Amino acid sequence: KAGVTQTPRYLIKTRGQQVTLSCSPISGHRSVSWYQQTPGQGLQFLFEYFSETQRNKGNFPGRFSGRQFSNSRSEMNVSTLELGDSALYLCASSLDWARGYGYTFGSGTRLTVV
Amino acid sequence: DQQVKQNSPSLSVQEGRISILNCDYTNSMFDYFLWYKKYPAEGPTFLISISSIKDKNEDGRFTVFLNKSAKHLSLHIVPSQPGDSAVYFCAANNAGNMLTFGGGTRLMVKP
Repeated sequence: KAGVTQTPRYLIKTRGQQVTLSCSPISGHRSVSWYQQTPGQGLQFLFEYFSETQRNKGNFPGRFSGRQFSNSRSEMNVSTLELGDSALYLCASSLDWARGYGYTFGSGTRLTVV
Repeated sequence: DQQVKQNSPSLSVQEGRISILNCDYTNSMFDYFLWYKKYPAEGPTFLISISSIKDKNEDGRFTVFLNKSAKHLSLHIVPSQPGDSAVYFCAANNAGNMLTFGGGTRLMVKP
């Protein structure tokens, strides 16, 4: 089966701009979670969407937002980019309450803010 | 405040020997713990998990130990193989799909 697809793989943006990242989950998976990975910080939870509704939210500023479409594809948006937003953004999909066991991660989008 | 910590950023072991990766947590509400492995340019992949009602879970060469009183878990890999070289993340969960990850340990297995 096809895995989790994240696009684009790499992105370079300028401070102050906004960016939209896309995640297509495994077919049939209705939960999509987003994580930010920075050196030394591990992966930090951004938010989770299930059936087009945000189900959980991490401790990130309002500049980070997301949405999910009826086909379970998800997008996350970062507005007014800051240098510190440079990171690898990962999404993970699962059927429902997977508790991490049933997570499948995508390969991520590497965002560089200059 | 990091609720899950991996205090060793890197670990180097010889092929065939045991690799022990450690993880500490502070939130006593966590009741499910996982280890993920990550290769460069790939997403993390699930390795092994353990529920708080157990103190050990084994899967082939991989064993996870949980010491709840010490809020500590460890991953043992025996024997270590060069293909095990990767970054290992421990993660904790107390409900739903939200995971709290540690900062990762880079394991290097030398042939």
